[in-house]
This record gives sequence, structure tokens and C-alpha cells, in this order.
Amino acid sequence: DAEITQSPRHKITETGRQVTLACHQTWNHNNMFWYRQDLGHGLRLIHYSYGVQDTNKGEVSDGYSVSRSNTEDLPLTLESAASSQTSVYFCASSEHSGDNEQFFGPGTRLTVL
Amino acid sequence: SQKIEQNSEALNIQEGKTATLTCNYTNYSPAYLQWYRQDPGRGPVFLLLIRENEKEKRKERLKVTFDTTLKQSLFHITASQPADSATYLCALVSYNNNDMRFGAGTRLTVKP
Repeated sequence: DAEITQSPRHKITETGRQVTLACHQTWNHNNMFWYRQDLGHGLRLIHYSYGVQDTNKGEVSDGYSVSRSNTEDLPLTLESAASSQTSVYFCASSEHSGDNEQFFGPGTRLTVL
Repeated sequence: SQKIEQNSEALNIQEGKTATLTCNYTNYSPAYLQWYRQDPGRGPVFLLLIRENEKEKRKERLKVTFDTTLKQSLFHITASQPADSATYLCALVSYNNNDMRFGAGTRLTVKP
């Protein structure tokens, strides 16, 4: 069965360290998204991609970067982790833009000490 | 500024009753709106989509309405069950940008 996976599921790191969160989908979807979820804010879009070599900034992109070298993967990098980036991170994918449902991964809980 | 508000952080109802959740938005020209369900420790799961030119959409015990004049969507669960207990999120995609913006969610608890 096709799926979307994230790793690691839990991560504790220190301020200033570089962290990369992995996202892998086997649906062959063109579109992939990264969100963060915090109490009181709901899901906020960090970065998204509509295909290989395409990346776009979302609502809260500062301090984060992504790269899309193949269809299946969209890793999210925190260049220099900050305590404000402690959150739960969700990756999602969809077949097309527009009125397509998004399929979400199980999430990564990141703690920055 | 653009806002999406789900006006109840938590909603408690008795089993068998109809749950009604609200999603209000401001400064959006939404092309369509989606509703998702999220269980603790899991990612959201898609439930329903309704387009700007549609007034109502149904799927089994679920019903969504969309009123672009009131700038509001209502999400109904009829004959609610304890298994319906979860957080429900609304999300909008506007004509102005392609990305999807989510509300903060409403946590529904259905008591037996």
C-alpha cells in the first residue's frame, strides 16, 4: 500500500545544531508540503514543492529550508535550531494542486533545548 | 489580515446527538474548503471538500455547508458516536494563493 512516512518520530536537539527531518511518500505525488503544528495556531505551512527541483516558501519559512531532488522525498532542514522551533512537524503530499486532498504523515515531535 | 477561526476550542455532546462545528474566515476569497479529522498523536485525515459554488456536501453521517456571504462553513456529524471524538480542522485554499491554510481546530468529545 502507498504511504507517507516521516523520520525520526521524536528528536531532541540543542540550540544552534542543524537538524534534518525526513519525509518519504510512495504515491508518486507531485506535491509535497511541510507544516508545523503548535497549540493555538493549528497547522502552519513552512515550505512546499510542486515537483522535482521546485520549492516554495510558506507562511513560516524563516529558519527552514527544503530541497526536492526526486519525487518521493522532501527533507526539511533547520539550519540552526532555535527553541522557538520546538513543535510537531507534519509532512503531506497530494496528487495535484487545487482541490486535491492532502495525505499526511504521522508527524515528528522536535524538541530544541 | 487573513483569518480562519474555528469558534469552539472544545465541544462536548451526548452520543446520538448532532455535532455542529463552525469555521469562519475573513479576508479570503476561497476557491474551496476542506475538513480534516485528527486523532491524538496522528496526522490529519481528509474527510470532505466543498467548492465555492456548492452549498452543501454529504458523506454518510457527515454534512458540510458553505456560505460565502456569511463567510462560514458548518460541519455536522449526525447520530454521533464516541468513536467520532477527535479534533476537526477546516482548511481553505483561496483564489489568491495556492497554499492551504488551516484553522486551529475544534476538539469534539462524544460522551456515551
